[in-house]
Amino acid sequence: DIVLTQSPATLSVTPGESVSLSCRASQGISTSIHWYQQKSNESPRLLIKFASQSISGIPSRFSGSGSGTDFTLSINRVESEDFSVYYCQQSYSLPLTFGSGTKLEIK
Amino acid sequence: EVQLVESGGGLVQPGRSLKLSCAASGFTFSNYGMAWVRQAPTKGLEWVATISYDGSSTYYRDSVKGRFTISRDNAKSTLYLQMDSLRSEDTATYYCARPDYYSGDYFDYWGQGVMVTVSS
Repeated sequence: DIVLTQSPATLSVTPGESVSLSCRASQGISTSIHWYQQKSNESPRLLIKFASQSISGIPSRFSGSGSGTDFTLSINRVESEDFSVYYCQQSYSLPLTFGSGTKLEIK
Repeated sequence: EVQLVESGGGLVQPGRSLKLSCAASGFTFSNYGMAWVRQAPTKGLEWVATISYDGSSTYYRDSVKGRFTISRDNAKSTLYLQMDSLRSEDTATYYCARPDYYSGDYFDYWGQGVMVTVSS
């Protein structure tokens, strides 16, 4: 199984700061990585597909990059509504796997 | 508007069975593969199973293979998950999720989730 390691586990930031969340795959997966946001007691929401492709309706402050084994989700100027948990997911091979998540919290 | 509404969750004893349903609306259900993803309390997301648009192909994670069965009724626009021989480690919120139409690689819509608790 492909293991996705997200870091850091928790990130404390002040609204207005820009942040980068990391997702590292245990083997090369090209750009088969997707990012989700999950707010407390809600279902996940798709943010980015195939490492860097934007999703309709998602604010432009969210962007993704990377290929191979190292991927990054960037949030430009974090807003109060962005404080939640972020997961990466790989679709390179079955079983589909998710990272353990990065919790973005208010400093 | 795409809607996915799960039902059928609850408290069940270890070794017993439970069947989850997911009623879909707002899109042509028979054109899409569908999946179940679960999340144990305070834990991360875990893919459980996927079924092709016509039900001819199914895929499972190893830990549920032989115990869970994913199926669908396209006439009713409904997805199912039959869970047998339940274990405590199956306790989770179960989400019905729609893979994207073209690649099936990511989930573009999710239901609100249904809780399954396996305990004596």
